[in-house]
Amino acid sequence: KQEVTQIPAALSVPEGENLVLNCSFTDSAIYNLQWFRQDPGKGLTSLLLIQSSQREQTSGRLNASLDKSSGRSTLYIAASQPGDSATYLCAVLGAGANSKLTFGKGITLSVRP
Amino acid sequence: KAGVTQTPRYLIKTRGQQVTLSCSPISGHRSVSWYQQTPGQGLQFLFEYFSETQRNKGNFPGRFSGRQFSNSRSEMNVSTLELGDSALYLCASSLGWGFTDTQYFGPGTRLTVL
Repeated sequence: KQEVTQIPAALSVPEGENLVLNCSFTDSAIYNLQWFRQDPGKGLTSLLLIQSSQREQTSGRLNASLDKSSGRSTLYIAASQPGDSATYLCAVLGAGANSKLTFGKGITLSVRP
Repeated sequence: KAGVTQTPRYLIKTRGQQVTLSCSPISGHRSVSWYQQTPGQGLQFLFEYFSETQRNKGNFPGRFSGRQFSNSRSEMNVSTLELGDSALYLCASSLGWGFTDTQYFGPGTRLTVL
């Protein structure tokens, strides 16, 4: 059974810092991995989707990397801003038939002005 | 293009009642999936529908059911509500089924069971 872990559960940084959010998963047989952002009381917004054959994806100040063999993904946020404050979740899709998305519990990020 | 919409946004019910939640996907999307989000368990998959057929199902009791209509809109029903069903219920839509495409989430329905 796939398990997805995100540590720490919460993170507070000053504005302007470059930061890395970690996601680890137990079964390396994955189809893809997605990073989402969730603002309080709201739905999820997809940030980046990495296929299993890819090593990284970039969108603006965000860069996500994937290392299947070690069961890890990182989300890099450059020059953090207060508007980046949110909960960041990663989700893994298994490679087998009838696989489901397995989510981590998220990292709640607070960027201080 | 309009995003995923969910109605109602908030619901308060009492134990034993039943509830129906609605989800309208992005135009052109044929897959709708449902999730339950709680502080303790996080996001848990309920089921996925594609072209009016349930394609996948999570580990929830039979009190949780769903359906999808020909216009891809989906409803989720929970019967005999329990206190533990209090949660944020999210739906997501995508072009294809099986979660291989980017998932677009709605704002959720906050269900409180008293």
